[in-house]
Amino acid sequence: GAGVSQSPSNKVTEKGKDVELRCDPISGHTALYWYRQSLGQGLEFLIYFQGNSAPDKSGLPSDRFSAERTGGSVSTLTIQRTQQEDSAVYLCASSTYGANVLTFGAGSRLTVL
Amino acid sequence: DQQVKQNSPSLSVQEGRISILNCDYTNSMFDYFLWYKKYPAEGPTFLISISSIKDKNEDGRFTVFLNKSAKHLSLHIVPSQPGDSAVYFCAASGGAQKLVFGQGTRLTINP
Repeated sequence: GAGVSQSPSNKVTEKGKDVELRCDPISGHTALYWYRQSLGQGLEFLIYFQGNSAPDKSGLPSDRFSAERTGGSVSTLTIQRTQQEDSAVYLCASSTYGANVLTFGAGSRLTVL
Repeated sequence: DQQVKQNSPSLSVQEGRISILNCDYTNSMFDYFLWYKKYPAEGPTFLISISSIKDKNEDGRFTVFLNKSAKHLSLHIVPSQPGDSAVYFCAASGGAQKLVFGQGTRLTINP
C-alpha cells in the first residue's frame, strides 16, 4: 500500500478484555516496529520484526503483550486482560532493511475503562 | 533509563523567528539521529537526520546540529511558520536499528 495502515483507529474496551491491533506495513518493507505513546509521554519501543529473524521483544512491558507477523507482512499486537495503564496510542512503523528512517501509521488509540 | 531526553516539554516562538529544539542523549553507541514531527491524530513523520560522522545537516528551513562531545543535538527552524506548530521528537539509533525516542517538545508558532 501507499502507507502504513493501522486498524482500528480507535478502540474503547473494558478492563480485563483482550484487544487486537492490526498493522499493514508498506509493501516491500521487511522491518516492522510497534511503539506506544502514553499521555504526555514519548514514544516507547515495544517490539521489532526484521524479515525471518526472531523478533526483538525487549520492549514489551509484560507477558500480557504479544505480537506476531504473518507472512512477513501484516502484524497483530495483542493485549490480554487489558488494564487502565494500557491506555495509549499504539503506533506501527515499517522500513526497508538497514534503513534508519521509519514510516509510521496514524496509530490506534486504545482506551481501557 | 531515559537514553534520549528532550528537557523542554513546550516552546513558543513568534512567526518568522528562529525555533531551536534541543535533545540530549546518554548512549555513546548511538550513531544516527533523527527528528520527527507529529501533528494531532497523525503518526510521526520524518523531518531530518544526521549521521555521527557529521556535525551539521541542512534541509531548507531545517538544520540539525550534532555535538558528539556534549552528546547533544539541536534542530533549528528558520524562519518559523504557523504550519511548524507540532510536537517534535528526537530519536537515536545505534546499529541495532531500534530507534529510541525522546519525550517530545510541543512547538507553538504564534502569528
